[in-house]
Amino acid sequence: ETGVTQSPTHLIKTRGQQVTLRCSSQSGHNTVSWYQQALGQGPQFIFQYYREEENGRGNFPPRFSGLQFPNYSSELNVNALELDDSALYLCASSTPTSWHYEQYFGPGTRLTVT
Amino acid sequence: DAKTTQPNSMESNEEEPVHLPCNHSTISGTDYIHWYRQLPSQGPEYVIHGLTSNVNNRMASLAIAEDRKSSTLILHRATLRDAAVYYCILRDVGGAQKLVFGQGTRLTINP
Repeated sequence: ETGVTQSPTHLIKTRGQQVTLRCSSQSGHNTVSWYQQALGQGPQFIFQYYREEENGRGNFPPRFSGLQFPNYSSELNVNALELDDSALYLCASSTPTSWHYEQYFGPGTRLTVT
Repeated sequence: DAKTTQPNSMESNEEEPVHLPCNHSTISGTDYIHWYRQLPSQGPEYVIHGLTSNVNNRMASLAIAEDRKSSTLILHRATLRDAAVYYCILRDVGGAQKLVFGQGTRLTINP
């Protein structure tokens, strides 16, 4: 069973640029959630995708957008990057058939905006 | 989302039990208590969850107060690998699957 994978591991972008982060969910999981974790803080929920549709969103502006593909992998896109977007971006997969909705996290993508 | 309160940090010795407290005085009847932990340079991982009764699994035990306003995660015999940030999270069984993380407790294990 393959766990949650994310790419790239690290990247550096300049303020104003756009970035795309990728996530492959665990086998059999049809729900993907994205979180942003600033240094020294707990992860903050960005949004969730279930069967290719957005299924809940946290307090993040529209320049944070996402996609989920038929194989349940997902992308997080951030436009017009700001310095405060520097963070660890975590992807988690789960399945509604798991009654306690345990989420399985990937190792994250470290984004630095300069 | 109901709020949880945890100590910022705790320290313990290897091979000793560790009791990590969590207060959740505004918990509702449909909130489950979940614990996740985040090892250095990794994403969070699920530890345990419960509703009313105490729970045990291979990683830890969860003791829930009778009024459900507090809970304690118990690591029976800490190892160096248990050094992590531990998060106590309330999840409504009927709500969205999102996890609402607080600051967590940073656990240090001394050899």
